[in-house]
Amino acid sequence: EAQVTQNPRYLITVTGKKLTVTCSQNMNHEYMSWYRQDPGLGLRQIYYSMNVEVTDKGDVPEGYKVSRKEKRNFPLILESPSPNQTSLYFCASSSLAARLLNEQFFGPGTRLTVL
Amino acid sequence: AQTVTQSQPEMSVQEAETVTLSCTYDTSESDYYLFWYKQPPSRQMILVIRQEAYKQQNATENRFSVNFQKAAKSFSLKISDSQLGDAAMYFCVEGGSQGNLIFGKGTKLSVKP
Repeated sequence: EAQVTQNPRYLITVTGKKLTVTCSQNMNHEYMSWYRQDPGLGLRQIYYSMNVEVTDKGDVPEGYKVSRKEKRNFPLILESPSPNQTSLYFCASSSLAARLLNEQFFGPGTRLTVL
Repeated sequence: AQTVTQSQPEMSVQEAETVTLSCTYDTSESDYYLFWYKQPPSRQMILVIRQEAYKQQNATENRFSVNFQKAAKSFSLKISDSQLGDAAMYFCVEGGSQGNLIFGKGTKLSVKP
């Protein structure tokens, strides 16, 4: 089954404790991305990757890191989480058809609470 | 900067009736995609419909159709014969060649039985 998986689905942590949210896709997609969703703000892009070893900042990259060492995985790293990073996080992947960003396949979301 | 605007934070429709959700966008690109995504209470993001900017014909998927006005940069979603399962948050999204997706802030649709 084609899918994007994220782990963990729920996480409660404390300020400053490093954490990683994993994301994996089995569709051989070139493009992967992370978003955060906050009430009244829609989804905002954190980082994206057009291919292995290629990553770029989205609209809200501060406080986050990513890596793309393998095509299927795109982990999101919070080196020192703060309460303002409490949010719902989505990973997504897509093929790149004729350079254009096509349909995004979303993971189930990770609810992160930073105390 | 690219922006996507959904001017209706909330909408309501009677079951079996038709509702239209509005969306305008601002892009300098000549080639791009436009999408409508649905997010039910389960929080899963589900693609409803997709429109390629170079295609003049409006996309249709069963009860869902769009009115794409490229010159006006308008991309509305029409839901016909509304069903209780259509109740969700709907996001209008623009995707181009730069690798970033721009989301609107969403329209919460309620369906009354």
